[in-house]
Amino acid sequence: GDSVTQMEGPVTLSEEAFLTINCTYTATGYPSLFWYVQYPGEGLQLLLKATKADDKGSNKGFEATYRKETTSFHLEKGSVQVSDSAVYFCALSGRSGGGADGLTFGKGTHLIIQP
Amino acid sequence: NAGVTQTPKFQVLKTGQSMTLQCAQDMNHEYMSWYRQDPGMGLRLIHYSVGAGITDQGEVPNGYNVSRSTTEDFPLRLLSAAPSQTSVYFCASSYGWGTEAFFGQGTRLTVV
Repeated sequence: GDSVTQMEGPVTLSEEAFLTINCTYTATGYPSLFWYVQYPGEGLQLLLKATKADDKGSNKGFEATYRKETTSFHLEKGSVQVSDSAVYFCALSGRSGGGADGLTFGKGTHLIIQP
Repeated sequence: NAGVTQTPKFQVLKTGQSMTLQCAQDMNHEYMSWYRQDPGMGLRLIHYSVGAGITDQGEVPNGYNVSRSTTEDFPLRLLSAAPSQTSVYFCASSYGWGTEAFFGQGTRLTVV
């Protein structure tokens, strides 16, 4: 079945540092790929998405490119802020994924940004 | 815009008690799902529904029941609560396959 692998952390960075959170996936066919963010005490919300190979999703300074050849969807941001502290989930929506919408989630990466 | 609304936000149950976690969405989404979130385990799918009257089991369905009598509502029932069901529960809805899922704020459940 489908699966998503991401570093779990916690990942601790200083403010204005460069961020990379790695995400690799296994899926049949051509899944859509997502990054969700969960701020403390809240539900998950969509950060960005890409629906086909070589697409780049971007939002709030975050970017991720759908790389089919390396089955990856790494999340990057050039200069992080304290307000970016959260848990980040990589996810895919594919044919053999679970649930109504076929979403399969990674285990989440806890990001801590220190001033 | 209410989006996905979950109630209650917090709940403490005694072992063996039953309860229903409520989930409602006002976006006319056909797809709805229930997840539980545990430390180090990520999100695990409990049950899901692709439309009114249609439900199916996810990865960890034991101890939970669902029904979907309307498009808007998708309640999750705990039949006889156990400490292993202590978790944070999230309801989500989406328009269709491969589209964005919208999540509720979660219900933090403690079973003692």
